[in-house]
Amino acid sequence: DTAVSQTPKYLVTQMGNDKSIKCEQNLGHDTMYWYKQDSKKFLKIMFSYNNKELIINETVPNRFSPKSPDKAHLNLHINSLELGDSAVYFCASSPLSGGPSTDTQYFGPGTRLTVL
Amino acid sequence: AQSVSQHNHHVILSEAASLELGCNYSYGGTVNLFWYVQYPGQHLQLLLKYFSGDPLVKGIKGFEAEFIKSKFSFNLRKPSVQWSDTAEYFCAVNSYNQGGKLIFGQGTELSVKP
Repeated sequence: DTAVSQTPKYLVTQMGNDKSIKCEQNLGHDTMYWYKQDSKKFLKIMFSYNNKELIINETVPNRFSPKSPDKAHLNLHINSLELGDSAVYFCASSPLSGGPSTDTQYFGPGTRLTVL
Repeated sequence: AQSVSQHNHHVILSEAASLELGCNYSYGGTVNLFWYVQYPGQHLQLLLKYFSGDPLVKGIKGFEAEFIKSKFSFNLRKPSVQWSDTAEYFCAVNSYNQGGKLIFGQGTELSVKP
């Protein structure tokens, strides 16, 4: 009965590799997000999708590419991984369509990415 | 640009002490305000939120927060903390027409000594 799930929970990889993180929500929400939490625990939004459409794209390197096959899934693909990509990546979802933002975001458990 | 500032980086309290964590934001328009908690090794959970109405908001686990519009503040309080409140606390803001984007403060680590 997990609301927002992410896989994998831990990801350790070498510099230069390409990796993906998957996110799924079973809440029937329209909007999904990716946030990055750095080593100082600072959280910053990366992307959001509403019904498979990109809504927010912060100044993230184009090595990061989100993909939303349907509104319940938002995956994050990272090319040519760098040391600075090491962080915890959180997926989140919210009910509404990205207009008046009075809805709560529900977060997944996070994926800890370590780039060696 | 919107920003959120949390005054305290690390707060250490003994059990039963009272807690107040500061949060200030900068944005001139209508905002929605949130406090999230992240227990060690876990995901973020919503403690409470303010959208409109009574500026004193009550959340889960005995937490409350007060929105003071004139001070652009949304401080989190709890009268008596427990060891289980040890966690990282994040204040966050979003505003209309921002697509739901949450702007987070830098977080406050709370350590409660038994």
